[in-house]
Amino acid sequence: LQLHESGPGRVKPSETLTLTCTVSGFSMSSSDYYWAWIRHFPGKGLEWLGSITHTWNSHDNPSLRSRFTISVDPSKSQFSMRLNSVTAADTAVYYCVRDRSNGWGPRAFDVWGQGTKVIVSS
Amino acid sequence: DIQMTQSPSSLSASVGDRLTITCRASQDISKFVNWYQHKPGSAPRLLIYDASNLETGVPSRFSGSGSGTDFTFTITGLQPEDIATYYCQQFDHLPITFGQGTRLDIK
Repeated sequence: LQLHESGPGRVKPSETLTLTCTVSGFSMSSSDYYWAWIRHFPGKGLEWLGSITHTWNSHDNPSLRSRFTISVDPSKSQFSMRLNSVTAADTAVYYCVRDRSNGWGPRAFDVWGQGTKVIVSS
Repeated sequence: DIQMTQSPSSLSASVGDRLTITCRASQDISKFVNWYQHKPGSAPRLLIYDASNLETGVPSRFSGSGSGTDFTFTITGLQPEDIATYYCQQFDHLPITFGQGTRLDIK
């Protein structure tokens, strides 16, 4: 199982950040898993952004104030995120992650992509 | 949101030492806590799930315990490759939240 993030390494303030995660070696169509985005701020901690199942059952972090959208396309083995109106505070390493829910809600992040660094700067 | 407060924020120990990191939740979260290891330049790695269960493939020197609001993560017999930042994470209530991390280095 591998997850791989793709997207721009740099985004301008006020623009929209779109990242896609491609999943290989595992079927996304399992009810035991969500698919999640998590970011790591340089020198700081981890922030869960949101999780989604293959049937579009999703949860996201209210701290993002509706700027965040998560979507999934199991036929392409991909899921994506969009973050609107980015600022310098959104500069971080973004990870796509398998979320082992075991049929519950978002739970444990057991397989991670390598991460993609995103810089918000004009 | 549930706040997860880790202590200490940094820790220095010698090879072979036994060390403990604590995580306190702002409210009762039963055993709904996981622990991760994060090395620079790598993705975080799940070590302990549901407070005390060792993830497959993780060395047995790592362990976790606790319930309610107080949780501990222990390394028994520290190895040089354990240099990393360690995070607790709760999943009892959304949004999922992490502790601020404990940075571990070797003396």
